[in-house]
Amino acid sequence: QKEVEQDPGPLSVPEGAIVSLNCTYSNSAFQYFMWYRQYSRKGPELLMYTYSSGNKEDGRFTAQVDKSSKYISLFIRDSQPSDSATYLCAMWTAGKSTFGDGTTLTVKP
Amino acid sequence: GAVVSQHPSWVICKSGTSVKIECRSLDFQATTMFWYRQFPKQSLMLMATSNEGSKATYEQGVEKDKFLINHASLTLSTLTVTSAHPEDSSFYICSFLSRRGQGGADTQYFGPGTRLTVL
Repeated sequence: QKEVEQDPGPLSVPEGAIVSLNCTYSNSAFQYFMWYRQYSRKGPELLMYTYSSGNKEDGRFTAQVDKSSKYISLFIRDSQPSDSATYLCAMWTAGKSTFGDGTTLTVKP
Repeated sequence: GAVVSQHPSWVICKSGTSVKIECRSLDFQATTMFWYRQFPKQSLMLMATSNEGSKATYEQGVEKDKFLINHASLTLSTLTVTSAHPEDSSFYICSFLSRRGQGGADTQYFGPGTRLTVL
């Protein structure tokens, strides 16, 4: 069983939709929770990180962590075609990150 | 965010040759960095962690004699794929770790990746 499981997708939504991306994890030692965006043939780019249960908002993006359920989510409001990418969740402990497999999102104009 | 460069961005080589990939942090210094590989439609697989001035720590299943890592300075690291074979074809991504200090998360900044194709 993988330590981090991510909803595989792919996901296709119309422009302006609210997108929900989700990951579950099994390792209680994870300290920090991150979301990265990766465009095709590019390296990942950090979108958000958090280290406690609850919500963290940054513009159109909201990261949600529920440590009791070992569940994290990323919500994208008013999605744009430029949001089309692969989104990776990642969790940090013991000096390294463990990544989910990614969810590919397509936002159609 | 911080800027990390990787060179070359893509390389094609013959089986049996060695390929060196260079990773530079352009605007911050980092004692710790990571090398990943990524196969199509899969996530990042950590290959090794290195701290400047010491030997790299390789993940289980990664051959240290095949994937040579040199963390030469706080802003430069190289990965050399020795005697490359077609199964080594992949997307290789480096990452520098920025320490945010008390109360903040350690943040990884990734390079743009190098696509290696071994014929």
